Amino acid sequence: QVHLVESGGGVVQPGRSLRLSCAASGFRFFNTGMHWVRQAPGKGLEWVALIAFDGSVKYYADSVKGRFTISRDNSQNTLYLQMNRSRPDDTAVYYCVKGRDAYLDYWGQGTLVLVSS
Amino acid sequence: DIVMTQSPRSLSVTPGQPASISCKSSQSLLHSDGRTYLDWYLQKPGQSPQLLIYEVSSRFSGVPNRFSGSGSGTDFTLEISRVEAEDVGVYYCMQGTHLPTFGGGTKVEIK
Repeated sequence: QVHLVESGGGVVQPGRSLRLSCAASGFRFFNTGMHWVRQAPGKGLEWVALIAFDGSVKYYADSVKGRFTISRDNSQNTLYLQMNRSRPDDTAVYYCVKGRDAYLDYWGQGTLVLVSS
Repeated sequence: DIVMTQSPRSLSVTPGQPASISCKSSQSLLHSDGRTYLDWYLQKPGQSPQLLIYEVSSRFSGVPNRFSGSGSGTDFTLEISRVEAEDVGVYYCMQGTHLPTFGGGTKVEIK
């Protein structure tokens, strides 16, 4: 059974950094592309970033490019999202999502990030 | 970026009646590999999104057969043949042919 458990959310001041983690289990993490998707309060879904199974390829939404970094540790079955230069519009629930081909088949429960002074 | 436009924004349905949601993309979603990467997700109240349909018309594991997807190119439709109370929530289409983008969502409620 696939489990994705995000952690690391909380309150961060504008301009500061935060690192989100996602512990994965129940599937071959080392062989799977992974995504981060976010949802601002009361809003729709926004894709944030994608990392290939081996970390060799990474893609980002324009809204986070140059500020956020997606990474993974296949020895620990863990996905990360390093959020730098945070902005108030980064406030959202961040979901760790398992990829399969070009779709998103399993989602974590999400972790809330609030960017506020 | 590819823009995904859903309609209607909201839908109120009598249980047992059908429902249909439209999703239009600003560019063709036909990939060079011959596949079309258009998916549908449902976010039930208070829950994470869940995959319903992938590649236009393939139902994900465990999804009831009252859900069906169709379409090609830039125009796609999700249909629920007979809406049940457990189908309430917000439905999103998403294209994966290019970097993923989601539609704005369609909220389905029961009359």
